[in-house]
Amino acid sequence: EADIYQTPRYLVIGTGKKITLECSQTMGHDKMYWYQQDPGMELHLIHYSYGVNSTEKGDLSSESTVSRIRTEHFPLTLESARPSHTSQYLCASSDSGYGYTFGSGTRLTVV
Amino acid sequence: KNEVEQSPQNLTAQEGEFITINCSYSVGISALHWLQQHPGGGIVSLFMLSSGKKKHGRLIATINIQEKHSSLHITASHPRDSAVYICAVRVGTGTASKLTFGTGTRLQVTL
Repeated sequence: EADIYQTPRYLVIGTGKKITLECSQTMGHDKMYWYQQDPGMELHLIHYSYGVNSTEKGDLSSESTVSRIRTEHFPLTLESARPSHTSQYLCASSDSGYGYTFGSGTRLTVV
Repeated sequence: KNEVEQSPQNLTAQEGEFITINCSYSVGISALHWLQQHPGGGIVSLFMLSSGKKKHGRLIATINIQEKHSSLHITASHPRDSAVYICAVRVGTGTASKLTFGTGTRLQVTL
């Protein structure tokens, strides 16, 4: 049973639209992450958070933004979607022992 | 050159075969993770290793820190094992730690 939930699973949206990808976890983990993965490629960290009101940019430059107002919730927002944003976005959280739990991902297509 | 290299990139096996997937890395690490990604995109954490060997069911993971190498073995493979297997290394400790991912090994097990 998934302890970290991502919605939507699939999203097709037009260029210029604002979108928010949701991620919630029920494990009380302080650390949460957003990764971007293109088909057949490795995951790249785009944002992370070590707790409420803490957000940092990851290794891969991204035009998205994140917020962490509650421990369990870590949404990712694209203000104006472009075809170059087409990718899979994976949310994850980790505990103090460094075990990671991943969500099912959101596959985004911008047309 | 990626800091994490996996081999093979693609692997086809018949049901019942013993499978080995290899991971080599070029940096000092605090732990290594083996992950499984199914076609739907979600990721499941299989193992987290910092030394030695771990076993879970038909899966065995080993790591040699001196050689900077890890292997994932699947005994008596089954079509439901078909997935992408990803090696990820954790670099750094505490709040400075981050995961670096390999590109994955795509495994197909046929009847």
